[in-house]
Amino acid sequence: IAGITQAPTSQILAAGRRMTLRCTQDMRHNAMYWYRQDLGLGLRLIHYSNTAGTTGKGEVPDGYSVSRANTDDFPLTLASAVPSQTSVYFCASSDSRGGTDTQYFGPGTRLTVL
Amino acid sequence: GQNIDQPTEMTATEGAIVQINCTYQTSGFNGLFWYQQHAGEAPTFLSYNVLDGLEEKGRFSSFLSRSKGYSYLLLKELQMKDSASYLCAAMDSNYQLIWGAGTKLIIKP
Repeated sequence: IAGITQAPTSQILAAGRRMTLRCTQDMRHNAMYWYRQDLGLGLRLIHYSNTAGTTGKGEVPDGYSVSRANTDDFPLTLASAVPSQTSVYFCASSDSRGGTDTQYFGPGTRLTVL
Repeated sequence: GQNIDQPTEMTATEGAIVQINCTYQTSGFNGLFWYQQHAGEAPTFLSYNVLDGLEEKGRFSSFLSRSKGYSYLLLKELQMKDSASYLCAAMDSNYQLIWGAGTKLIIKP
């Protein structure tokens, strides 16, 4: 089935632990994104990648890192989780990072940091 | 700074018409997107406007006025399944989407 998958679906994590959220797409999209969604706030961009091998910082990159070793995968790592990183995380992809290219979203990962 | 404003919540009746407004301020502009998000699910694309005017897609239409920094999403013949949050997002000069907090639409029978 074409689309974007994310894992895990949800996770409870102790503060200070390291965590990697996984994202895989099979649409051969060049651009990928990580957002967080918090109640009362719009989606906020954490990191993005225009194409395999490149990454860039979004609006709220601190405490997060990404890599883009190939077209399909775009993992997000929290090196040392803090409670303020409790959120729903969405991965998205688009054909390119241009104006007309629709972003398609994965199902999300609900992360709780205690 | 960059900002998107849309109402937090709206209520409408099944079968009726509702208009969800969005105003935006961005550094440069490369289009306005509307997404639908059901509770606990991912956002899904509804529409994209980059030129002034109305774009119609079945029961949903989206309007843009670039000079006013204003858009609206019009939903006709409302169905219970339209109960969801509607997210407005403007693309800035760096091709980054700036998102509103979303409008929760409640449909009553």
